[in-house]
Amino acid sequence: SQQGEEDPQALSIQEGENATMNCSYKTSINNLQWYRQNSGRGLVHLILIRSNEREKHSGRLRVTLDTSKKSSSLLITASRAADTASYFCATPSFQGGSEKLVFGKGTKLTVNP
Amino acid sequence: DAGVIQSPRHEVTEMGQEVTLRCKPISGHDYLFWYRQTMMRGLELLIYFNNNVPIDDSGMPEDRFSAKMPNASFSTLKIQPSEPRDSAVYFCASSLREREQYFGPGTRLTVT
Repeated sequence: SQQGEEDPQALSIQEGENATMNCSYKTSINNLQWYRQNSGRGLVHLILIRSNEREKHSGRLRVTLDTSKKSSSLLITASRAADTASYFCATPSFQGGSEKLVFGKGTKLTVNP
Repeated sequence: DAGVIQSPRHEVTEMGQEVTLRCKPISGHDYLFWYRQTMMRGLELLIYFNNNVPIDDSGMPEDRFSAKMPNASFSTLKIQPSEPRDSAVYFCASSLREREQYFGPGTRLTVT
């Protein structure tokens, strides 16, 4: 499967610092998505980057995609305590004639006030 | 829109009992997904529907699990009989034309 693998598994930083999370995947994709999950809640879509895009911004979020290395990174700038959550990358996978999203295990980010 | 609605939010049941989880997708969305999340296995796709038709149920663990979508605004995931290893958080998500998915708050299932 084209499961994305996030790295690191856990990250702890101080408020105001930047947080970088990485995602690697196995085969060619046409897009990659990042989601956030706060404790005890459902996932929330953050950003989608297409295979012909190298970088995308949304507020304090910056996502890069390197298709040659089959990797993506999510950068959160000027982090806040409210950014504490797990972050997942998701890649489309074609199996059995259907396409579905496959999620990685996530990076657990803790932002200390 | 209220977002994806799931019920119940918490369910505690004894092994062998039937469990039914419910989901109301966002109005107008044509895809509905059921996921299961555990610490050990992460987020797993169980089944998804397009226009109320099951497209891929390869993630359904075994015959004890079944899912239906009788109309565009309602879906159920049933486990019969339930087992302790089914304990997990079950999420429903919906999307429009295979774009970003909108997740419900989840149902935390505990089978004792």
